[in-house]
Amino acid sequence: QQQVKQSPQSLIVQKGGISIINCAYENTAFDYFPWYQQFPGKGPALLIAIRPDVSEKKEGRFTISFNKSAKQFSLHIMDSQPGDSATYFCAASKLSGNTGKLIFGQGTTLQVKP
Amino acid sequence: DSGVTQTPKHLITATGQRVTLRCSPRSGDLSVYWYQQSLDQGLQFLIQYYNGEERAKGNILERFSAQQFPDLHSELNLSSLELGDSALYFCASSFRDRSQETQYFGPGTRLLVL
Repeated sequence: QQQVKQSPQSLIVQKGGISIINCAYENTAFDYFPWYQQFPGKGPALLIAIRPDVSEKKEGRFTISFNKSAKQFSLHIMDSQPGDSATYFCAASKLSGNTGKLIFGQGTTLQVKP
Repeated sequence: DSGVTQTPKHLITATGQRVTLRCSPRSGDLSVYWYQQSLDQGLQFLIQYYNGEERAKGNILERFSAQQFPDLHSELNLSSLELGDSALYFCASSFRDRSQETQYFGPGTRLLVL
């Protein structure tokens, strides 16, 4: 059972464009939704995260939009740059529990063309 | 550099063998998580230790086991290896504050079972 579904699987965007990656979750007990960025040969690194008490969080060019009723959240990368080319994973967790184990989406490979 | 170290970086072994993967968390982090990354299964949570005690278990095979030592480093033991165990294995240590938990991933150990 895939608890976090991510789309698209791959994405090609022109430099300066907006990249949008979508995720949907099933378990309403999840209360923490991070996005991780992974470059080839490296481990994932936290990019930005949101709690369900807010509908949007922005950090620089990266914005998470969160829709609690639809159980969906998305990552928007504004003014996408070639250096943003990486694999992006959404994840969900239950911080209110005694473990922060992450349930990851399948990942989106982003290519930003110069 | 996340501050999490993993050894070895690469491991090539044969079916039926046993290997040990080692992880040193960031200084001060009490939690260690292990994840498996493969092309077909994506990033999957295996197991979490907190200050030496097992805290949570995911889809970890019975052939796999882990432990966390008093100095907080952790080892993941994989035995009776099968071809399908070939994957990237990541450990992560975490820091939790009031609003979020940041998991810092190591560079991973790439396991190839021949």
